[in-house]
Amino acid sequence: DQQVKQNSPSLSVQEGRISILNCDYTNSMFDYFLWYKKYPAEGPTFLISISSIKDKNEDGRFTVFLNKSAKHLSLHIVPSQPGDSAVYFCAAMRNQGGKLIFGQGTELSVKP
Amino acid sequence: EAQVTQNPRYLITVTGKKLTVTCSQNMNHEYMSWYRQDPGLGLRQIYYSMNVEVTDKGDVPEGYKVSRKEKRNFPLILESPSPNQTSLYFCASSLRTTTDTQYFGPGTRLTVL
Repeated sequence: DQQVKQNSPSLSVQEGRISILNCDYTNSMFDYFLWYKKYPAEGPTFLISISSIKDKNEDGRFTVFLNKSAKHLSLHIVPSQPGDSAVYFCAAMRNQGGKLIFGQGTELSVKP
Repeated sequence: EAQVTQNPRYLITVTGKKLTVTCSQNMNHEYMSWYRQDPGLGLRQIYYSMNVEVTDKGDVPEGYKVSRKEKRNFPLILESPSPNQTSLYFCASSLRTTTDTQYFGPGTRLTVL
């Protein structure tokens, strides 16, 4: 049972436009959410996070939105750059514990 | 340089031959974790450790063992590997919990024949 789902395996966007990556979760007890970015042949790197007490968190070109009622979060990248081409994973956890549940990932391709 | 190292980076083995993948971090982190990445399934947590001598199961612990005898090391042990454990494995560490930034190692590509 996949508690965190990224239903789009891939996304293609033109350079300079907005990229929107989506993530849905089923467990209402999740209270902290993270996005990781992964290039081929490298380990994932942390991108941005959000606590369930907020509905938006912004860091430069990256903004994460959380809709608790819909159990949905999204990552917005504006403007998109070719260097953003990577696989993006969303992840969720509860109670600042050690267990972390990842989605399947979305491969973003930003075309020049 | 602050980093998480894993060894080996690539390993081909046969069913049933015990193996250990080592993981070491030099950041004095309390939290360490192992994940496997498979196509269509994303990253799945195998085991994690909140501190020395404290380990807990993640989502897919079957067939794996871990130990945390010292803070810096968190080896992953496959006592009797099977072909369904063929995967890309990542070790990660963070200061205290998963709300702290996790730093991932470069990955270990394991093939079990």
